[in-house]
This record gives sequence, structure tokens and C-alpha cells, in this order.
Amino acid sequence: DTGVSQDPRHKITKRGQNVTFRCDPISEHNRLYWYRQTLGQGPEFLTYFQNEAQLEKSRLLSDRFSAERPKGSFSTLEIQRTEQGDSAMYLCASSLTGGVVVSPLHFGNGTRLTVT
Amino acid sequence: GNSVTQMEGPVTLSEEAFLTINCTYTATGYPSLFWYVQYPGEGLQLLLKATKADDKGSNKGFEATYRKETTSFHLEKGSVQVSDSAVYFCPSEGGTASKLTFGTGTRLQVTL
Repeated sequence: DTGVSQDPRHKITKRGQNVTFRCDPISEHNRLYWYRQTLGQGPEFLTYFQNEAQLEKSRLLSDRFSAERPKGSFSTLEIQRTEQGDSAMYLCASSLTGGVVVSPLHFGNGTRLTVT
Repeated sequence: GNSVTQMEGPVTLSEEAFLTINCTYTATGYPSLFWYVQYPGEGLQLLLKATKADDKGSNKGFEATYRKETTSFHLEKGSVQVSDSAVYFCPSEGGTASKLTFGTGTRLQVTL
């Protein structure tokens, strides 16, 4: 299976700790997105990359959040000084751009973060 | 910008019942339209899509037709199964970023 892969699936951390999540997109996809989803809500856009360039960041992405995609392949999302409000499912998606048609986003299974 | 209005849930149906989940959109131009499904504990899966007016997307017995005259993309299935219990999303497409904006979705519960 060559879908979007996220690691870890689950992360429990204490408030104030730093955490880092990894996303491996579908190999030929040039766009990579991060979303956050809380219980009972739909995914909320956080940021996206085209190749290695981070082109848009939501205002939801506070200064404690940083995302990178150094070689235009995998991406990491780091949360510093975690807060209980950061508890959520963090979803990664990838897509292939081209033409005038929107390429569907393909999602991973997410990383569930619990901050205690 | 583009937006969608999706039918609120939860929707509870008996197995083999007919399903319709309404989705209407407002947009400049002709956006691509999608339905995603999220099973418990999993990420979102693309269920079907349509890229232009009168296109019909279909997958796993689900169908949706891109209707320009009613600006709708309603999801239908003739006979639902318990395994179809999930949350269904009809996102709006966000212009050049290809970014999708999701609402809260429609939770479907199918019972025996």
C-alpha cells in the first residue's frame, strides 16, 4: 500500500512537553497538507506545502507549531510546550497538482495526540 | 469564496434503507466536488468526486451527481449496510491552493 503514512498513530504527552509527528505522503505527490480534527468536528486546515515551500499557514497555527518539509518528501509537525487544548487528531494529506482540476486530497490515518 | 452547506446529522437508518445526504454549494465558476467518508478511528477517505456539471461520481454503491442548475451534489445509496456507518463530508474547494474546507460532516448510523 503506498498511501499516506503517519507516525506515530497515538501520542500521549504531559503538558509543556514538545512533540513531533511525521507524515510520508504518496511518493509522486507534490502537495502536502496538515489538518487538525477535534472530536465531533471536521478537519481544520493548518498549513500546506508545495514541494519544500510552505505556502500557507492558518491563523490556527500558533507560534508553538512549526511544520517542515525539507526535501519536498516527508513532513514533520512539531508542537512546542504542549497545552491540553492541543489534544486532537492531526491529519496529513497529500495531492498532485496539475492542470485546472483540483486534485483530490489523500489522507493518512492521523496521529492522535493526548496532552495530560 | 466557495462554500458548501451540508445536511446535519445524525442520520439513523435501518439496513437496506435508501440514503440521501444533501450537499449544496455556492461558488464562482465550476469547482470540483467531493464526498469523503471517515470511519471510526480512521482518517478521511475519498469516496467519490465530480469535476464538471452533470458528472456522476460513484463508488461502493454510493452516487452523487454534479447538478449545476440546483448547485447540488447530494450523496445517495440505494441500500445501506451497517458497515456504511461513518461520518460523511462534502468539503468546499479553496481556490488555487486546492485546499479543502470541511464542515462538521453528517454522521450516519445504520442499524440492523
